[in-house]
Amino acid sequence: EAGVAQSPRYKIIEKRQSVAFWCNPISGHATLYWYQQILGQGPKLLIQFQNNGVVDDSQLPKDRFSAERLKGVDSTLKIQPAKLEDSAVYLCASSLTDGAYEQYFGPGTRLTVT
Amino acid sequence: KQEVTQIPAALSVPEGENLVLNCSFTDSAIYNLQWFRQDPGKGLTSLLLIQSSQREQTSGRLNASLDKSSGRSTLYIAASQPGDSATYLCAVPGANNLFFGTGTRLTVIP
Repeated sequence: EAGVAQSPRYKIIEKRQSVAFWCNPISGHATLYWYQQILGQGPKLLIQFQNNGVVDDSQLPKDRFSAERLKGVDSTLKIQPAKLEDSAVYLCASSLTDGAYEQYFGPGTRLTVT
Repeated sequence: KQEVTQIPAALSVPEGENLVLNCSFTDSAIYNLQWFRQDPGKGLTSLLLIQSSQREQTSGRLNASLDKSSGRSTLYIAASQPGDSATYLCAVPGANNLFFGTGTRLTVIP
């Protein structure tokens, strides 16, 4: 069974530029999550999708971050414009459904904003 | 709000030693608890998931225990190897997400 795929693996941009990350969850998983992990900290949820609907985006900085999940499968996370404090690893995860089910994580995208 | 704490933040042990990593959480009304491994610059690999009705789970040299009433979980690693060097994170589910600890960075010295 293929795991969660993410691209790119690494990205370096200057502040005020824009960037987009892509995630392809495990086939059949209805729930998709985007997490932000700042160096030395645990991952923090940015947004959760159930199929193509948003369940929770309370921690998403909506003035600069946006995410979508078209057709309930792949998802993209965008940052525009980026700030220095956005430097982090962005992790995508998926699960069969929400709540009690095990989450499976992708390899992450390491973003450096200079 | 659920808070998850992991102690110690970092641990160095010689190869072959048995070791215990600790995780505590403030809200005991959890469905399960998950232990992850994270290698530098990489994503998270799920090691063990313990359901709230279970007291422990084993996978190879790893054994995780869960005591909901006291809000604690431990990850026991037997006969540690240099390849076990990584950061270990525990997480518990909230309504819509996982609450993570800050992790324990383990170094196994050959």
